[in-house]
Amino acid sequence: DTAVSQTPKYLVTQMGNDKSIKCEQNLGHDTMYWYKQDSKKFLKIMFSYNNKELIINETVPNRFSPKSPDKAHLNLHINSLELGDSAVYFCASSQGWTGTGNNEQFFGPGTRLTVL
Amino acid sequence: AQSVTQLGSHVSVSEGALVLLRCNYSSSVPPYLFWYVQYPNQGLQLLLKYTTGATLVKGINGFEAEFKKSETSFHLTKPSAHMSDAAEYFCAVTIKAAGNKLTFGGGTRVLVKP
Repeated sequence: DTAVSQTPKYLVTQMGNDKSIKCEQNLGHDTMYWYKQDSKKFLKIMFSYNNKELIINETVPNRFSPKSPDKAHLNLHINSLELGDSAVYFCASSQGWTGTGNNEQFFGPGTRLTVL
Repeated sequence: AQSVTQLGSHVSVSEGALVLLRCNYSSSVPPYLFWYVQYPNQGLQLLLKYTTGATLVKGINGFEAEFKKSETSFHLTKPSAHMSDAAEYFCAVTIKAAGNKLTFGGGTRVLVKP
């Protein structure tokens, strides 16, 4: 029943490792997002896909690579993890990308990544 | 580029008292403005939004916000706080040319005292 789900919910790993976070939405939306929330709760968009096409690619280290196998899934792979990658990562989805302000974004519960 | 400033990273209110959370935006073109709420260990949920039309917008859980262009503000209010309102609140902005790309403020944590 969960609209936007993420796995895992918690991820603890060592520096230098590679990890992936998965996101799935069952809302039938065509646009998905990844956000990073740092320890001070500041939220910043990282990537967005519309119909499996990358449309937002913010200034993010190229160690981060999103992949959208289909419209319902958007995964985030992180190579060579660093201490500064520790954060909560949120996936979100919306129907449409048009600039009308009417494309409400629905957020997943977040994945708390801790890099030791 | 658009930006949002939320005044006060923490707000403490008594149960039953007015909740007022301040948000000021910067945009060279008409903005679309949003308030989201984040309960502990959860994702964000949309409270309300302003796109066009009526400047006083009502949202869920008794919240409302007023868009004031002259003051570049979009403050969030609730007449009477409930314990369940304890959460983090985020103001966000986007513009037509940015599609659905949201720029968030730093958030305001609301503490409700019994």
